[in-house]
Amino acid sequence: QVHLVQSGAEVKKPGSSVKVSCKASGSTFSRYAISWVRQAPGQGLEWMGGVIPLLGIANYAQKFQGRVTITADTSTNTVYMELSSLKSEDTAVYYCAHQLTGDVKWFDPWGQGTLVTVSS
Amino acid sequence: SYVMTQPPSLSVAPGQTARITCGGNNIGSKSVHWYQQKPGQAPALVVYDDTDRPSGIPERFSASNSGNTATLTISRVEAGDEADYFCQVWGTSDHPVFGGGTKLTVL
Repeated sequence: QVHLVQSGAEVKKPGSSVKVSCKASGSTFSRYAISWVRQAPGQGLEWMGGVIPLLGIANYAQKFQGRVTITADTSTNTVYMELSSLKSEDTAVYYCAHQLTGDVKWFDPWGQGTLVTVSS
Repeated sequence: SYVMTQPPSLSVAPGQTARITCGGNNIGSKSVHWYQQKPGQAPALVVYDDTDRPSGIPERFSASNSGNTATLTISRVEAGDEADYFCQVWGTSDHPVFGGGTKLTVL
């Protein structure tokens, strides 16, 4: 069973950046993938991008291109999501979500979520 | 990009059947996955590849997908089923897309 643990809540100023981590443990296949999905207060789920750590190749939703960077450290099974030029609208819970391989099109399991609050 | 429509809310009495729909253009040609999200918790997979249940998900949860509508059916609804439910597919831009979610209330 795979288990994802995310870093803690963050409070950031508009215009700054935030970096959230997601550590995977348990029975991970070598070519697993991790995506980042965010949920604004009272809203739905929005995919931001994902990475296959073994390959180090990330792809991003067009909405976040140029503002989000997803990286992976295979030595620690940790994936990072950095979002820059933060705005108040980026206030949300950010989840990492696991895919067994890059060809598997569903997410299971999910991390516990990280609340990022953007406020002056 | 691909758009899926879910009813914002659904209310069902305990013991009855809840049917949560997810509409999309020719969604029957795609694989649909369903997530349950209880208040304050992360989403959890309840159905994948249209009809398959992960281990640990009760048989009361079933699903179908045909034409322009995918449906998650929860039989013999319990108070513990009260949650938000989201459908998800891999969209035309080769990226995942989520439906807007349906809030299931158990009366």
